[in-house]
Formats: sequence, C-alpha cells, structure tokens
Amino acid sequence: EIVLTQSPGTLSLSPGEKATLSCRASQTVSTYLAWYQQKPGQAPRLLIYGASNRGNGIPGRFSGSGSGTDFTLTITRLEPEDFAVYHCQQYGSSPRTFGQGTKVEIK
Amino acid sequence: QVQLVHSGAEVKKPGASVNVSCKASGYTYTTYYIHWLRQAPGHGFEWMGIINPSGSTTTYAQRLQGRVSITRDTSTSTVYMELRSLRSEDTAVYYCALDYADYVDNRFSPTYYFDHWGQGTLVTVSS
Repeated sequence: EIVLTQSPGTLSLSPGEKATLSCRASQTVSTYLAWYQQKPGQAPRLLIYGASNRGNGIPGRFSGSGSGTDFTLTITRLEPEDFAVYHCQQYGSSPRTFGQGTKVEIK
Repeated sequence: QVQLVHSGAEVKKPGASVNVSCKASGYTYTTYYIHWLRQAPGHGFEWMGIINPSGSTTTYAQRLQGRVSITRDTSTSTVYMELRSLRSEDTAVYYCALDYADYVDNRFSPTYYFDHWGQGTLVTVSS
C-alpha cells in the first residue's frame, strides 16, 4: 500500500499570502495524484487531478505540480474561503490512498 | 449542478448493520461510477468500494470484503452502502463520491479520483 505523507500538518498564514503544501508518496504514483479541499460540515471538493489539472470551476490561484513521489499544491494569495484542510490522494495503485491532510489556518 | 444527498445520521450497536443511501441529481448522463469512502475521527479518508453505472459490478476494499455491500437503483439514481458486523472502529463519516469515468479504448473506465462528493453520513457505533 502506498503511503502518502503530507507536510506540514498545519500551516498558519494570513490572507493574501502564498501557501505551499507538500505530499510525498512512499512509491512512485506517476501523475496519478489528486488534491481535495475540505471545510467543516461540507462535502470535500476536487481541486486538482492528474497532479496539475484544475477541476471544474477551480480558481486559477490553485495549482498543482510534481510527478513520481513528490507533489506540491500551491495557493497564491490566500482568500478567506481558502482556509480549510487539504488532502492528497493517489489513484495510480490499488488500494487508492489518501494523506492525513494539511490544515491551512488563519494566522 | 450535481448533488449527492445522503441519508441521515445513524447510531448502531456493535454487531449490527447499517445502510446508508446517496441520491444523485443534476447530472444528465448516467455513465458515472459511485464510490464509497469513510473518514474516522482524526484519520484520513479510506476508500471502501465502487459500483459501475448499471449497478452490475462492484469492487470492494480488501480489508472490508465480506462486510460491505454496495447496490444501485438506477431508476431513482440512488446508491446504497451496507456495512455489517459493525465495530467501534467503524465509527466514521461515510461519503459517496461520483467518478465521471474516462472513455478509453471504446469503453468507460473509472478514474478513481472523485469529482463530486456528498455531504456525508455520520455513523456512530457504540454499546
């Protein structure tokens, strides 16, 4: 089973700042990597698939990069609605697995 | 606008079964797969299983084999997940998620990433 390790666990930033979230896989997943945003009490939302493709309706300030075992989600200029928990998921290998999440909180 | 609406929260005793439903609306095409996932308190998401568009084929996570069943009523666009022999560690929020699928080599195949999610159903297992 591929283990995904997300870092940091918590990121404290101010609105307008840039957020850089990391996801590292224990084995290569090529570019079969997705990112989701989760807010309390809400359904998770797909942000990125294929490591770098934005989902439908996702603003341009969200971008994904990486391949193999190292991936990054970048949020340029945090908006108030971006403070949430972010999860990465690999879907290149069975069982499909998730990271533990990175919480982006208001500093 | 795609919506996946879950049934309400459940409280069950150990050894019992739970049935959670998920009704899809707002999506014109029927060629989508539905996955079930869960998130226990303080844990990441765990993939549980998938059902194909017609409801004829299912695949389950190995660690849940024999305890989980997913069925689909295409006439009402509703998918059901049954989990049996409940244990305290099954306490979690259970989510259905829609997979639009890719059309490759003249057939649809699930992508295994999740385009839309329901709001989740909290299942609490406690004596």
